[in-house]
Amino acid sequence: AQKVTQAQTEISVVEKEDVTLDCVYETRDTTYYLFWYKQPPSGELVFLIRRNSFDEQNEISGRYSWNFQKSTSSFNFTITASQVVDSAVYFCALSDDNTGGFKTIFGAGTRLFVKA
Amino acid sequence: DGGITQSPKYLFRKEGQNVTLSCEQNLNHDAMYWYRQDPGQGLRLIYYSQIVNDFQKGDIAEGYSVSREKKESFPLTVTSAQKNPTAFYLCASSSSGDLAGELFFGEGSRLTVL
Repeated sequence: AQKVTQAQTEISVVEKEDVTLDCVYETRDTTYYLFWYKQPPSGELVFLIRRNSFDEQNEISGRYSWNFQKSTSSFNFTITASQVVDSAVYFCALSDDNTGGFKTIFGAGTRLFVKA
Repeated sequence: DGGITQSPKYLFRKEGQNVTLSCEQNLNHDAMYWYRQDPGQGLRLIYYSQIVNDFQKGDIAEGYSVSREKKESFPLTVTSAQKNPTAFYLCASSSSGDLAGELFFGEGSRLTVL
């Protein structure tokens, strides 16, 4: 069965600390996509990144970086030098051939608090 | 600006009443979705629609109904049959059902049953 696990319910850091949000997924398909979304206090989820199952290259975008490892079924998200504006709930999500493109599965989310 | 508009932002309902949540998009997306968010449970899919006049049940459709009469609109009705309707409801859209397609979300509607 498809599943996305975000074991960290809440994380609290002080500004400028680095923080890693963990995501472990389960799927039997060889073709799948992984996503990260950010949900700020306003409520709407905002897309951050997409990764397909055939591309294990890590990606960096400013202070954000993502580490995709198929060997451990993980797709972890690191924020470097965190800022107060990074405070939000972050969701990892999975889309695969079995669920179809219309049934993205979300993890439970990790709430990040960044204190000034 | 293109995006998804949900209304109302906050809604209070008495037990036994049906309520309808509005979702409008001007992104020209074919696919639209309704998710329910509860604390600690992530997002769960209620209904989705791939195209006008067609919709499919998601994982937790019981007690909900939808319609898709226009491409830009996908209202959700929370009926009195929904046992625990207090939650945060999110509407989303995507350009297609492509596995790679990201979802675009509205700001959500928070429903509280009194």
